[in-house]
Amino acid sequence: LAKTTQPISMDSYEGQEVNITCSHNNIATNDYITWYQQFPSQGPRFIIQGYKTKVTNEVASLFIPADRKSSTLSLPRVSLSDTAVYYCLVGDDGTASKLTFGTGTRLQVTL
Amino acid sequence: DAGVTQSPTHLIKTRGQQVTLRCSPKSGHDTVSWYQQALGQGPQFIFQYYEEEERQRGNFPDRFSGHQFPNYSSELNVNALLLGDSALYLCASSLAQGSSTEQFFGPGTRLTVL
Repeated sequence: LAKTTQPISMDSYEGQEVNITCSHNNIATNDYITWYQQFPSQGPRFIIQGYKTKVTNEVASLFIPADRKSSTLSLPRVSLSDTAVYYCLVGDDGTASKLTFGTGTRLQVTL
Repeated sequence: DAGVTQSPTHLIKTRGQQVTLRCSPKSGHDTVSWYQQALGQGPQFIFQYYEEEERQRGNFPDRFSGHQFPNYSSELNVNALLLGDSALYLCASSLAQGSSTEQFFGPGTRLTVL
């Protein structure tokens, strides 16, 4: 499984756009990139998934360059409620198999 | 539409005891996965059940065992508890086949081993 590297923590003010970058240099051809969000004392929640280029949903955007060795999760106009840990996962997601989480990025949003 | 539910919410045990945690998957889901999350760490995959059989297993000792029932609900059993087993235990459900492979997580069971 491809190893991922992401910042341990990030701080932002409410209303700003937050970009969290994840490195996955040895990503395989059939690997997807998935991001999960986790609030304290809750289970992780799926945010977005992509394979290449750009994916956007109602919550976030995911930017993936052509070489796919990194990806960036973009959260537009964050609010206090976006304070959470964000995990970048890389793997063959074709069969909803096991998810391999790293330590994630702890995002703190303040006023 | 009920999401993933887990019971109990919290549990306190002593070393050497045995514990059983329960999970009901999201309606319509047939696959259940279990994860262990130590404080400050990401969840670690324990095993996955589909059609009442263990389909995949992570790097956990045989003290960790599970079961899936015909209604797709699942149990996680841990024998001979160690202090290091203290963690948040998460259950996730998904569909083995379908357009979405997203896993839906429950709120977890907080296990404390004294």
